[in-house]
Amino acid sequence: GDSVTQTEGLVTLTEGLPVMLNCTYQTIYSNPFLFWYVQHLNESPRLLLKSFTDNKRTEHQGFHATLHKSSSSFHLQKSSAQLSDSALYYCALSEGSNNRIFFGDGTQLVVKP
Amino acid sequence: GPKVLQIPSHQIIDMGQMVTLNCDPVSNHLYFYWYKQILGQQMEFLVNFYNGKVMEKSKLFKDQFSVERPDGSYFTLKIQPTALEDSAVYFCASSLGGVANTEVFFGKGTRLTVV
Repeated sequence: GDSVTQTEGLVTLTEGLPVMLNCTYQTIYSNPFLFWYVQHLNESPRLLLKSFTDNKRTEHQGFHATLHKSSSSFHLQKSSAQLSDSALYYCALSEGSNNRIFFGDGTQLVVKP
Repeated sequence: GPKVLQIPSHQIIDMGQMVTLNCDPVSNHLYFYWYKQILGQQMEFLVNFYNGKVMEKSKLFKDQFSVERPDGSYFTLKIQPTALEDSAVYFCASSLGGVANTEVFFGKGTRLTVV
């Protein structure tokens, strides 16, 4: 079945340093939708990025990710972390043909001064 | 932005009792979802609902679970009877269209503790 793997449970880094959160996926479908959701403390998960197109960079609020079907990856990156980026980040996948979203375990990002 | 409201944020129930989790979705949305997250694990799809009917459900959606949205009001998840393994955070979500075409908005979740 479909699955999403986020290898890091916790990422801690200093403000100003680059961010990279890993995400790989498995699916039998050739055209999956990949998402990044962000959940700040005591808030709802909300959509940060979404992509469907292979090898096309998607950007929003300083974050970017590129779907690479050859490696089944959709890593989240940001050039310079801010304190306000501290949150739980979920990578997720949908086949598109149905309305299920498969979530990864999430990566807790902690940005320190 | 649009908000999905879930009330209450935390509910404690005795095993074997019935519980109803309430969700107030975004007003013009047509698709509704429930996800379950056991502590320390990933959010998992339970069910989606459209046009007054369950469209898809996962194997986690046991016979004791039911959903409805009477008269276009709250979208509810009812568990009857509850079991200890039902303890989890339940997230409600809604969207205007399908996942592929529109954004899915999530609530903050209701933490259900079955004792």
